Amino acid sequence: DTEVTQTPKHLVMGMTNKKSLKCEQHMGHRAMYWYKQKAKKPPELMFVYSYEKLSINESVPSRFSPECPNSSLLNLHLHALQPEDSALYLCASSQGPRQRAFFGQGTRLTVV
Amino acid sequence: AQTVTQSQPEMSVQEAETVTLSCTYDTSENNYYLFWYKQPPSRQMILVIRQEAYKQQNATENRFSVNFQKAAKSFSLKISDSQLGDTAMYFCAFGLDKLIFGTGTRLQVFP
Repeated sequence: DTEVTQTPKHLVMGMTNKKSLKCEQHMGHRAMYWYKQKAKKPPELMFVYSYEKLSINESVPSRFSPECPNSSLLNLHLHALQPEDSALYLCASSQGPRQRAFFGQGTRLTVV
Repeated sequence: AQTVTQSQPEMSVQEAETVTLSCTYDTSENNYYLFWYKQPPSRQMILVIRQEAYKQQNATENRFSVNFQKAAKSFSLKISDSQLGDTAMYFCAFGLDKLIFGTGTRLQVFP
């Protein structure tokens, strides 16, 4: 199994809502990542988890809260988002940052 | 800090022809990894090819090959025998403690 599965594929939420994005992999990878990608732009790293511990936070606003419940799962909790947070959110996993990263298909988030 | 530059926002090529996408990067590190990722309209990022900086030999994966010039900090991707399915956004990426992506090159393959 070489897949990274992200749910949901699409999400529309209001600025007062709380929602969560989910990511799952069963490749035994110890590093998991959240990226944000705006249209026609490269992915921007948000968070890195290594061995289930947060190792990198790229100065992401606190309205985004990551969680790694176990080595296979990665969540991104969303609260009080702004319309400018609308983007494609990509999850990825790898054996390490210098190894091949496998990406999910992303969640297209729209904040209204 | 590392930076990755892709100077070609868009490229086009006819089916069966060869095209080269450019990438330059800047780093003071010696051991790192370089990647080319492809993102088709389906949105999923797919690894095309990976190069280890300590290896002088250029990586090759079927129709895809790189020209890695470490001293010049250049890492171009050559796609031979282009196919319609190669139409996608291509991102060059630098890997050390994290992946840093270039701005991307949109490649269109025409029949």
